[in-house]
Formats: sequence, C-alpha cells, structure tokens
Amino acid sequence: AQSVTQLDSHVSVSEGTPVLLRCNYSSSYSPSLFWYVQHPNKGLQLLLKYTSAATLVKGINGFEAEFKKSETSFHLTKPSAHMSDAAEYFCVVSRGSARQLTFGSGTQLTVLP
Amino acid sequence: SQTIHQWPATLVQPVGSPLSLECTVEGTSNPNLYWYRQAAGRGLQLLFYSVGIGQISSEVPQNLSASRPQDRQFILSSKKLLLSDSGFYLCAWSASGSGNTIYFGEGSWLTVV
Repeated sequence: AQSVTQLDSHVSVSEGTPVLLRCNYSSSYSPSLFWYVQHPNKGLQLLLKYTSAATLVKGINGFEAEFKKSETSFHLTKPSAHMSDAAEYFCVVSRGSARQLTFGSGTQLTVLP
Repeated sequence: SQTIHQWPATLVQPVGSPLSLECTVEGTSNPNLYWYRQAAGRGLQLLFYSVGIGQISSEVPQNLSASRPQDRQFILSSKKLLLSDSGFYLCAWSASGSGNTIYFGEGSWLTVV
C-alpha cells in the first residue's frame, strides 16, 4: 500500500520570500514521486519528478525538491516566490505504473504582494 | 513533442441528458490514456484507464463509461447525467509500459443542473 500526506492545506508567503510545501509519503516499494501544479480551472502541470536518481531534483520555474528516504519526505521548495506561483500543488507517489498513482490532497499556495 | 487536447472546456447539462467529453493525444503512439475526476475541494479520482484500442478498465462503479475508438482518442460518456456527476474532468496520458510520467490535459468543467 502507498499513501501521501501533504502537511499543509494552505500556505501563504510574501512575494520574494522562500516557499516550502511539505509532503510525506508511505510506500512498500521504492517509489517514484512527483509534484504537480494546478492553476485555477486548468489541468495539472508537472513540476518535477524523482525516480531514484539524484535525491535533489530540480524542476521548472525555479522549484526543487529533495527526496529524504530516512524521513520519507519529498518537500517542494523555491528560494523566492513570485505572484505567478499562486496555485494548488499536488504531491504524488507512484508504485511503478502511471495507473498506480496516489495523489495528495493538495496545498493551496497564496503569494502576497 | 507530445500534446493532449480535451474538449469541451466547459459544459452545463441538465440532469438526465447525455454526456460526451473527448480527448486526443498527438505526437506519440500507443499511449496509456486516463480519465480523472476532481470534485470541488477533493483530490483526483481515477475513473478509467486504457492501455490500447478497445481496452478499458474502470476503477470505480459509476454512471459513466469510456471508450477508445482510435489509438490516441479517449471518450468519456454518460447516457443520463446525475447531479453528482458535476466536477472537473481531466484526461491524461503516459507512455506505454510502467514507470512513466503522466501528463494532463486542460480539463473540462461539467455542471449538471
């Protein structure tokens, strides 16, 4: 069985300050992990993915995430938030096939001017 | 590069009317195709997936059906809509085989009135 927990349903940051979106996972296998972003009324866009290569994964738009097996975490970070980063973010764990994805409940990021 | 198209973007339908949402993928062959539903304030739920023409697997019992008449075409249908069918429907694809990233379309908003 696998599961994913996004620890914060809402995060607010000021523009130009760092972003931290937290994700913990549980998996019986070596998982693949993903972060997706969803802007209002849009589909999900892939930010980055971890597939057992480097533990620090760099994605698009300045985001990165670090896989920490000992902590079963895959937190998403960005050094400096931009207004356009305001969106909902989903952490996703996969057991190996795209059909076996488990989605987190999402974190709504608000960026304050 | 691969692209995914989904339409219509928005739809308002009366209870008891039929539904047809269409999705096509370009730039790849024999993709895995998926239909997800995202209800308001909730996560993503996998409805159907397909690994080939005419091969449809249903993940949850419901009022909806899916068909794959061509390699890169995936259709979500209903004969009679219910109020509970309202939501945001997302088509997605991944390369055939396991362990591949899933990519989403822009989504279709369905409101049943």
